[in-house]
Amino acid sequence: SQTIHQWPATLVQPVGSPLSLECTVEGTSNPNLYWYRQAAGRGLQLLFYSVGIGQISSEVPQNLSASRPQDRQFILSSKKLLLSDSGFYLCAWTPGGAGKMNTEAFFGQGTRLTVV
Amino acid sequence: AQKVTQAQTEISVVEKEDVTLDCVYETRDTTYYLFWYKQPPSGELVFLIRRNSFDEQNEISGRYSWNFQKSTSSFNFTITASQVVDSAVYFCALSEDFTGFQKLVFGTGTRLLVSP
Repeated sequence: SQTIHQWPATLVQPVGSPLSLECTVEGTSNPNLYWYRQAAGRGLQLLFYSVGIGQISSEVPQNLSASRPQDRQFILSSKKLLLSDSGFYLCAWTPGGAGKMNTEAFFGQGTRLTVV
Repeated sequence: AQKVTQAQTEISVVEKEDVTLDCVYETRDTTYYLFWYKQPPSGELVFLIRRNSFDEQNEISGRYSWNFQKSTSSFNFTITASQVVDSAVYFCALSEDFTGFQKLVFGTGTRLLVSP
């Protein structure tokens, strides 16, 4: 069966420090991968998606970047965190391939990031 | 542009009451997909249902039921005989028929509190 791992679960970082959040998927190949952010009192917003290794697309301009060094690994990074980067970050995957992208998305357990 | 509105920020009910969570969406596409996800206190999103724009049949799954009405652009979710375990944040989401990846547009969520 497929599983998705996301870590760390919580993180408190000072302003200006770097960030690296990691997400890995097991039990499937060539998934589409996503990073979402949930700010306090708001819905989830898509930040990045990837349809393959090294292929990253950004949905909103921001202080963050994403990378996909391996098929089932998705990393969210920042060189210098801002207070506004605080939030709940969720990694997700959907099956890759034509016609499959609108099946259900599978989400990780999230990382709660507090920038102080 | 797509938009999902969940006007109810928080609903409190007593166990065994029925409760309906409202969802109104906006899209210009004729082909789209609607989803409901549950976010328990642990944080991960749990898939509940997917409905495509060509299938307006209502669906029932145990205590859960969904009412999709294209005429009013609504996709409401009803929990019958609510239980304490139903306490969570519920998100409605919309995905258009892009090729290659899924872009979920979420509502801001409705927090449901079921008290014993």
